[in-house]
Amino acid sequence: QITLKESGPTLVKPTQTLTLTCTVSGFSLNISGVAVGWIRQPPGKALEWLATIYWDDDKRYSPSLKSRLTVTKDTSKNQVVLMMTNMEPVDTGTYYCAHKGFYYYGLDVWGPGTTVTVSS
Amino acid sequence: SYVLTQPPSVSVAPGQTAIITCGGNNIGSKSVHWYQQKPGQAPVLVVYNDNDRPSGIPERFSGSNSGNTATLTISRVEAGDEADYYCQVWGGFRDHVYVFGFGTKVTVL
Repeated sequence: QITLKESGPTLVKPTQTLTLTCTVSGFSLNISGVAVGWIRQPPGKALEWLATIYWDDDKRYSPSLKSRLTVTKDTSKNQVVLMMTNMEPVDTGTYYCAHKGFYYYGLDVWGPGTTVTVSS
Repeated sequence: SYVLTQPPSVSVAPGQTAIITCGGNNIGSKSVHWYQQKPGQAPVLVVYNDNDRPSGIPERFSGSNSGNTATLTISRVEAGDEADYYCQVWGGFRDHVYVFGFGTKVTVL
């Protein structure tokens, strides 16, 4: 059974860097075809894709946020880490990690999400 | 950038059929995935690759995709289907971008 769970700070100050960890189980991060994505959702708004990291360490970012994002993985720990620099109040929302379907580019299993508030 | 357009809301009576559209330029050439999100919960994949259902998703959920419009159809709507629904496509091997629609709130009357 595939599961994912996000963890990280619930409150960050403006200009700080946010670091979120996605701990996965039920699959290995280095198996061909595997990928984990990060998606966020401001309160009352739509889903927004942020980044994806693939089994071969290929990394893809949202063009509008690329300069602020870094995604990495630690296969031995079964973790994927997302860093977002220069946080602003508009970055407040729920952040999700999700498993990419093995044979398609949808997201078939999601973590419960973690809520991040950006405020001084 | 690629934009997916969804109606903000759809209302349907129990037992009737809800149809949610997702518009995009030549979306019929892409694979469309649909998610259901209930308040306070993470999204759940209900349809992938236009019209396939993950294990555990009722047959009442179906999809189609052609031309500039993809559609999620919920037959015999139940109260528990009330949720936000999002369509999503993948931008392809050039940029690997995931694009989500703006979401549709389905209200069961």
